[in-house]
Amino acid sequence: DVKVTQSSRYLVKRTGEKVFLECVQDMDHENMFWYRQDPGLGLRLIYFSYDVKMKEKGDIPEGYSVSREKKERFSLILESASTNQTSMYLCASIRGGGMNTEAFFGQGTRLTVV
Amino acid sequence: QKEVEQDPGPLSVPEGAIVSLNCTYSNSAFQYFMWYRQYSRKGPELLMYTYSSGNKEDGRFTAQVDKSSKYISLFIRDSQPSDSATYLCAMSADSWGKLQFGAGTQVVVTP
Repeated sequence: DVKVTQSSRYLVKRTGEKVFLECVQDMDHENMFWYRQDPGLGLRLIYFSYDVKMKEKGDIPEGYSVSREKKERFSLILESASTNQTSMYLCASIRGGGMNTEAFFGQGTRLTVV
Repeated sequence: QKEVEQDPGPLSVPEGAIVSLNCTYSNSAFQYFMWYRQYSRKGPELLMYTYSSGNKEDGRFTAQVDKSSKYISLFIRDSQPSDSATYLCAMSADSWGKLQFGAGTQVVVTP
């Protein structure tokens, strides 16, 4: 059974803190993605990675960075958390593109910045 | 303007009715089209996948893509209370799986 695991379901952090969101997949997928989900806006792509140590900006990368030191792990970093980063964060992995673009999602991390 | 437009609902239907969902998009490069279902407090899961224009049927679910009109649809026949969820359309132009999502439509099927 395929699995994408996010380290926390719920997090509460203070403004200005550095926040790490971890995602691990056990499917040997090359491509991994971080999205945030907000009511009325759907899922918006923050960063993605096609390979180890490789990263690409998505549509809303400001205030975020990522790290991919190992194929199975993709971390999202909020350098200095702000209240407008309160959101649901979803990690996804995909084996490859083209005809096989099924994204497997983690259960999500609901982050509240106070 | 968003690349993918989807009515957020909520859409409330009685059990047994047909649910009709749709999305419009502006990027003519999109060629991979998907519908995801998301239950409350869960991550999205793939429901239907279609490449280019055409129809695809899977049990009670039918997905349609009309690239000439930049319009995709999902139909759920004989809807059940367990179909109550948020349905997200997603599409991709490249072969790497970078997806653009609609806002999601909340569907409520009442017994």
